[in-house]
Amino acid sequence: KNEVEQSPQNLTAQEGEFITINCSYSVGISALHWLQQHPGGGIVSLFMLSSGKKKHGRLIATINIQEKHSSLHITASHPRDSAVYICAVRPLGETSGSRLTFGEGTQLTVNP
Amino acid sequence: NAGVTQTPKFRILKIGQSMTLQCTQDMNHNYMYWYRQDPGMGLKLIYYSVGAGITDKGEVPNGYNVSRSTTEDFPLRLELAAPSQTSVYFCATRTGNYGYTFGSGTRLTVV
Repeated sequence: KNEVEQSPQNLTAQEGEFITINCSYSVGISALHWLQQHPGGGIVSLFMLSSGKKKHGRLIATINIQEKHSSLHITASHPRDSAVYICAVRPLGETSGSRLTFGEGTQLTVNP
Repeated sequence: NAGVTQTPKFRILKIGQSMTLQCTQDMNHNYMYWYRQDPGMGLKLIYYSVGAGITDKGEVPNGYNVSRSTTEDFPLRLELAAPSQTSVYFCATRTGNYGYTFGSGTRLTVV
């Protein structure tokens, strides 16, 4: 079992829909990251969370440390949101290299 | 400010050939990483460096080597390329507040 599990693996939505992508992890963490990978392949950091909630534009990320769970929400989705969304965690005690453990990603397709 | 620059973007290698994937950053970050991304899998750490002159193995280091002679450069060397090394390779740096910046990736095919 992977330390970081994302659901769903694939998600298709219509433009304007509210979207939720989930991330569960099995280890204690010091931070959780949400990343976006566009069809061209580049990876962009969206959020880093250690508690609570963060918002940037139409994107909202939440984390519940006790339940070892995070969600990424996209409001009023748009075709340009189509991408792979990746959850990654920095395990507690990972200090020497600040290495991340990654989920497999969620492929989001937003149709016009 | 270019961030993290990876070259080449694409490469086809024959089995047994060797090559170096280049990674350069202009942000003066100490921490740098090489990851590989296989279809349907999460990124896996190959090697990382916490500063010039210091490197260490990640989860999947076999078949690869790195060096870090300067803060800016962190090349990844493939010796005796094998089909199992067909993948997309990403270089990344860690910022002071624990954010990460990724390069645009190198798509490598070994035939």
